[in-house]
Amino acid sequence: GAGVSQSPRYKVAKRGQDVALRCDPISGHVSLFWYQQALGQGPEFLTYFQNEAQLDKSGLPSDRFFAERPEGSVSTLKIQRTQQEDSAVYLCASSWRRMENIQYFGAGTRLSVL
Amino acid sequence: SQQGEEDPQALSIQEGENATMNCSYKTSINNLQWYRQNSGRGLVHLILIRSNEREKHSGRLRVTLDTSKKSSSLLITASRAADTASYFCATAPGQNFVFGPGTRLSVLP
Repeated sequence: GAGVSQSPRYKVAKRGQDVALRCDPISGHVSLFWYQQALGQGPEFLTYFQNEAQLDKSGLPSDRFFAERPEGSVSTLKIQRTQQEDSAVYLCASSWRRMENIQYFGAGTRLSVL
Repeated sequence: SQQGEEDPQALSIQEGENATMNCSYKTSINNLQWYRQNSGRGLVHLILIRSNEREKHSGRLRVTLDTSKKSSSLLITASRAADTASYFCATAPGQNFVFGPGTRLSVLP
């Protein structure tokens, strides 16, 4: 089927606004990952889901960041009261099963906080 | 801190030349993966090498792994302009994936 889909592709927010970023993983993929990528850097892990269970959220930078995957497919990353330092590309990846480890990435959402 | 560190940070070569990128990591691993990222796009998986493998080939790609030195190299032979991208190594030292800062490869026509 189709690859990992993320929306929106671009988001501009005023400082203090809340934003919601959506990820549609490949159908049937059990694992879903969120990453934050600053300009010129590699992706930094944020959080990981296996089906609907959030097994690791150790990479979320603050309690303003929240992620959910209520039905084990689509996931939403929410950032409350956005700050300028939240400006980055947010990447979502999915994989068939955890141990296989090959991840399929979406194109990302570029968030700019003004 | 990032588990993997690639070098060089940037590399420019002429079309047809070979490109070699290196990755060092800190802790023991089960496997190491290389990904490519074109500008404005997501990452694409290139190759996975397991800890009990020393070398792996895929088309024009050759990956080596030296677990004693905690290092890996990615060789792209007969490079093409379309190979211009950032290349990242990734490991899973624990429950998570850790990516290095990447090597930005420019292949000049």
